Amino acid sequence: NAGVTQTPKFQVLKTGQSMTLQCAQDMNHEYMSWYRQDPGMGLRLIHYSVGAGITDQGEVPNGYNVSRSTTEDFPLRLLSAAPSQTSVYFCASSYSSTVSVYGYTFGSGTRLTVV
Amino acid sequence: DAKTTQPTSMDCAEGRAANLPCNHSTISGNEYVYWYRQIHSQGPQYIIHGLKNNETNEMASLIITEDRKSSTLILPHATLRDTAVYYCIVRPPRYSSASKIIFGSGTRLSIRP
Repeated sequence: NAGVTQTPKFQVLKTGQSMTLQCAQDMNHEYMSWYRQDPGMGLRLIHYSVGAGITDQGEVPNGYNVSRSTTEDFPLRLLSAAPSQTSVYFCASSYSSTVSVYGYTFGSGTRLTVV
Repeated sequence: DAKTTQPTSMDCAEGRAANLPCNHSTISGNEYVYWYRQIHSQGPQYIIHGLKNNETNEMASLIITEDRKSSTLILPHATLRDTAVYYCIVRPPRYSSASKIIFGSGTRLSIRP
């Protein structure tokens, strides 16, 4: 089914470990972004990309790296995990223009716990 | 990047209309208003969007003021399944590297039986 696929769905890390959250979409969307959502809070933008080879920082980029080598994939790397990064991470994608009425398509999220 | 302001929480009786306001006083002339909702811990889902005119679909209606500085999402007959967090965002007609799409905290809508 077309959509945004995030892996893994759940992950537990020890402080200081690094890992990559995967995000892939098969809708040929140019725009992709990563959000984090802490318990009871709204979505905060981490990084975003308007196309392959282009990435920009969002509201809370520190501690995270991204790359966009292909249109389909937008991985999020945690460099040295900290307990403050315990959160649910959502990846979203969209056409760059408003050609798609639905705007963003979100993945189902990755629930990350750092101990 | 235009930002939005929404009430933190609201409640509504089942079967009644739920009216959710959103302030976007710094919206640019070509930016769209989009509404999404998030049920439990799922990813947000699209509800409706508009530019200047009022819009209606099978889920909701969107009323945008003439000056476009605010809008109201209307769920005409709220059900318990409409309990969710509702987000109002603004976005340009075409994304660029300057397009930070900020969701904010949204409005937590509770539907009373």
